[in-house]
Amino acid sequence: DQQVKQNSPSLSVQEGRISILNCDYTNSMFDYFLWYKKYPAEGPTFLISISSIKDKNEDGRFTVFLNKSAKHLSLHIVPSQPGDSAVYFCAASAANNAGNMLTFGGGTRLMVKP
Amino acid sequence: NAGVTQTPKFRILKIGQSMTLQCTQDMNHNYMYWYRQDPGMGLKLIYYSVGAGITDKGEVPNGYNVSRSTTEDFPLRLELAAPSQTSVYFCASSYSTTQGQPQHFGDGTRLSIL
Repeated sequence: DQQVKQNSPSLSVQEGRISILNCDYTNSMFDYFLWYKKYPAEGPTFLISISSIKDKNEDGRFTVFLNKSAKHLSLHIVPSQPGDSAVYFCAASAANNAGNMLTFGGGTRLMVKP
Repeated sequence: NAGVTQTPKFRILKIGQSMTLQCTQDMNHNYMYWYRQDPGMGLKLIYYSVGAGITDKGEVPNGYNVSRSTTEDFPLRLELAAPSQTSVYFCASSYSTTQGQPQHFGDGTRLSIL
């Protein structure tokens, strides 16, 4: 049973517009969430994170929103650029997690068209 | 900085062969991880280590073994390769203790079992 789900396998957006990537989770013990970006033939790279004590975290063009009651988070990219085209993974971590282990969603492929 | 280095980048194995995927990091991170990513899927944790001499199973450990004799190295061993182990393997590392500490990934090893 997938504890972290990204229900949209792909998303296409015009350059300059907003990209919204969504992630849902089922485990109520998750209290820290991260977004990773992955280009082909490379490993994932950390993008932005949010703790469950917050509902928003912003870093430049990237903002993550967390809705704990809905067990939902989203990543907003504004404005979108062609270089943002990649696969985006949502990941979650539970408290008292001895190994700082992450549970990943299946990823969303974002394509930003010039 | 090299970060996390994985070798080899590509490998084709025959069923029943064995091999070791190498992973080394130069960031003095205590925590290290092995993931596999199947096509269209997210990353699944195989094994992890919280320090030299300490390893533990992740979500999908069957068919794999690990060792951690030094802080820098965390090799993954496949003893009897099976077609189901065809995947892309990622090694990652992170600092210890802080929950949600981002993991730093290598560029992966693409393994095909024929």
